[in-house]
Amino acid sequence: GAVVSQHPSRVICKSGTSVKIECRSLDFQATTMFWYRQFPKKSLMLMATSNEGSKATYEQGVEKDKFLINHASLTLSTLTVTSAHPEDSSFYICSARSGTRSARGEQFFGPGTRLTVL
Amino acid sequence: KQEVTQIPAALSVPEGENLVLNCSFTDSAIYNLQWFRQDPGKGLTSLLLIQSSQREQTSGRLNASLDKSSGRSTLYIAASQPGDSATYLCAVPPYNFNKFYFGSGTKLNVKP
Repeated sequence: GAVVSQHPSRVICKSGTSVKIECRSLDFQATTMFWYRQFPKKSLMLMATSNEGSKATYEQGVEKDKFLINHASLTLSTLTVTSAHPEDSSFYICSARSGTRSARGEQFFGPGTRLTVL
Repeated sequence: KQEVTQIPAALSVPEGENLVLNCSFTDSAIYNLQWFRQDPGKGLTSLLLIQSSQREQTSGRLNASLDKSSGRSTLYIAASQPGDSATYLCAVPPYNFNKFYFGSGTKLNVKP
């Protein structure tokens, strides 16, 4: 149990286009989802926290208008990178926290999405 | 702001050795501490979760300890195998669980 999927796993796009990444909790309801960005050989950097049905909370320095996050249901959150630039190329990982498992406070991570902007 | 540090940054050992990875954090007001494994180009796999009230957790050849007062956790790997080669990350959320602070990781290489 507690499986989180991401789609797509890899995406290559041209500069100026928008890319949507989906994060799904497959077998549990995720009250909170987190989006991270990871640079090569670096640790994860939290971008934003999203709660179902409410606006995402962005970390300092993360552009809200560039990285649009929608958490429309208890099993799906999306990250849209708008007007992508080569510097947006990175590994994006989502995680989900279960409402029913909240007592343990455990997070479950997706497999990540490799974004390359040409 | 919580700061999480992992030492060493990289470790190379021969197969069969027992080893210890270290994680330290500056703010002891944590909800729990989680150890993860990340293979190259992949997401994170949860290994062990220790609640703030616990002192250790074990799973197979892995044992994680937590000393909240001193801001330290260790991950002990017994009888290491080449398949253990990966980057190991520790992470802590605060009580309000509004974010997750990650260490920079220890890259482990177990040589056959």
